[in-house]
Amino acid sequence: DIQMTQSPSSLSASIGDRVTITCRASQSISSYLNWYQQKPGKAPKLLIYAASSLQSGVPSRFSGSGSGTDFTLTISSLQPEDFATYYCQQSYSALFGQGTKLEIK
Amino acid sequence: EVQLVQSGAEVKRPGESLKISCKGSGYGSTSYWIGWVRQMPGKGLEWMGIIYPGDSDTRYSPSFQGQVTISADKSISTAYLQWGSLKASDTAMYYCVSSRYWGPTSYFDYWGQGTLVTVSS
Repeated sequence: DIQMTQSPSSLSASIGDRVTITCRASQSISSYLNWYQQKPGKAPKLLIYAASSLQSGVPSRFSGSGSGTDFTLTISSLQPEDFATYYCQQSYSALFGQGTKLEIK
Repeated sequence: EVQLVQSGAEVKRPGESLKISCKGSGYGSTSYWIGWVRQMPGKGLEWMGIIYPGDSDTRYSPSFQGQVTISADKSISTAYLQWGSLKASDTAMYYCVSSRYWGPTSYFDYWGQGTLVTVSS
């Protein structure tokens, strides 16, 4: 099975910071990579699909890039509502990464 | 807009059976796959399986094959997740999700509110 490794597992940042989260696949998955955001006590929400396509209604400060085995989620300027846990997911077998918890510094 | 509404929280004893539901609405003429994702307390997301209610085509994650059963009743736009004999390790939040297709291009664009299942003696 294709394994997904996210890094870092946790991250502290300040409002206005630019933040990058990385997801690495154990073998090439082309651009079949999605990103989700989960806030405490809430269901996850789709942010990015197919590596770089922004889901409708998601703020443009979120962007995704990458192909093959290495992918990134970037938040260009952190807002208070962005503090959450982020998951990547490869869509060959729907396997999720282990998550990155983004906390306020 | 698509909405997925799940059944309420459950508290069960080990060995009991359980069936939880997820009712979809707002699809219009578009058909969707409905899947299930597990989140154990304090842990990450795990995809369990998915079903196409139109013809009941069902796919399971190898980790959950044989452990749960996914079914659907297309006449009432409802998908189900069931256990024949619950274990304490089944304690988790279960989310239903929708996807327009199943395959490498799929993604979960809508999520239910979650059903908390607690299994305790």
